[in-house]
Amino acid sequence: EPEVTQTPSHQVTQMGQEVILRCVPISNHLYFYWYRQILGQKVEFLVSFYNNEISEKSEIFDDQFSVERPDGSNFTLKIRSTKLEDSAMYFCASSRQGARGETQYFGPGTRLLVL
Amino acid sequence: KNEVEQSPQNLTAQEGEFITINCSYSVGISALHWLQQHPGGGIVSLFMLSSGKKKHGRLIATINIQEKHSSLHITASHPRDSAVYICAAALYNTDKLIFGTGTRLQVFP
Repeated sequence: EPEVTQTPSHQVTQMGQEVILRCVPISNHLYFYWYRQILGQKVEFLVSFYNNEISEKSEIFDDQFSVERPDGSNFTLKIRSTKLEDSAMYFCASSRQGARGETQYFGPGTRLLVL
Repeated sequence: KNEVEQSPQNLTAQEGEFITINCSYSVGISALHWLQQHPGGGIVSLFMLSSGKKKHGRLIATINIQEKHSSLHITASHPRDSAVYICAAALYNTDKLIFGTGTRLQVFP
């Protein structure tokens, strides 16, 4: 069964460094999402991406964050200058239709630790 | 006040019991998602509902749009059902999901 993959599974970085989290969505999916979950807290929506552009973003998704689909298969989340509070599990998800129309398929997550 | 509230926060059950997890929301939605988060952190989508009821195996999800309430039921619970169950509301006319805080379920043999 097709699945969403994410790399790396774990990343440790120093505050102020740039990180890129990578996701390979399911191949025939059109909608892509990033979520984060700070340890012990609820999952939070970061951004949705459709037709090569951001369709929705949350207040968390400020200028330090960006997303890209560089080559038609990968979907990346970049954090330009990491802060301690960016430490969290980051989940990528994809679906054929938007959140109003279909369930989403989640990747296994990348655990980011900012020191 | 959270836009999506779940109850209970924690739930323990004996194997075989019927489980109900509740979700209430205060915003206009296009759909309501139920998700399962495993102890290792992975998330699996269980259902997406915009009306009525859906069933998959031992899992049943219902939604009452007028009352802004959804329930997830597990029949004949099993220890492998132990996980965190999360509801998430798809805001009306957007692709943004607002998540509840989750219900931690432990089923004992």
